[in-house]
Amino acid sequence: QSVLTQPPSVSGAPGQRVTISCTGSSSNIGAGYDVHWYQQLPGTAPKVLIYGNNNRPSGVPDRFSGSKSGTSASLAITGLQADDEADYYCQSYDSSLSVYVFGTGTKVTVL
Amino acid sequence: QITLEESGPTLVKPTQTLTLTCTFSGFSLTTSGEGVGWIRQPPGKSLEWLAVIYWADDKGYWPSLRSRLTITKDTSRNQVVLTMTNMDPVDTATYYCAHRHCSGGSCQLFFDHWGQGALVTVSS
Repeated sequence: QSVLTQPPSVSGAPGQRVTISCTGSSSNIGAGYDVHWYQQLPGTAPKVLIYGNNNRPSGVPDRFSGSKSGTSASLAITGLQADDEADYYCQSYDSSLSVYVFGTGTKVTVL
Repeated sequence: QITLEESGPTLVKPTQTLTLTCTFSGFSLTTSGEGVGWIRQPPGKSLEWLAVIYWADDKGYWPSLRSRLTITKDTSRNQVVLTMTNMDPVDTATYYCAHRHCSGGSCQLFFDHWGQGALVTVSS
């Protein structure tokens, strides 16, 4: 069902920077709809990490940042920490289907 | 403070109808812009958006599931109900309800508050 494509996994050592891509199409990200990112820790509900492409809710560290260009978006995590190990999902809206769409999800592993 | 909580059966048999209730607080579905969505997650898999209902009773469904889904709201009880007919083992998942972001009259197309999720297993 996923309309947005993400790499299955990324990994990095503590302190390093990792990025997660989110590729969509001309009917969602490319149509100008914002991209939002969620973090899902094991056994818990997703939590908003980035909204509106590059905005952080209060309480989210500035180690997390988002960007969007064309039909893609990216989430960057700098200063990787052990408790960043989680699944990350991008989300947007698709005008051709009039539906909310999620990415395939990326598991971040801290080496 | 916005909270949402899902409730419903943990086990349903194939072909049965699933009814899930989302009880929320901290906002009202009579307020312009507000909306509640349902998202599910099969074990070990990605998030799948299912349906949304807005304050004006507009509704949206994932196209391939549209014939099986119905979303309704009870504003007096602050509840949203999702029914899914003809359940199949592939529908086994954790079902989440979530609040569509709407703050100070500004609404965006994402979900800012989620329930803890309800695991539904479909098995005979």
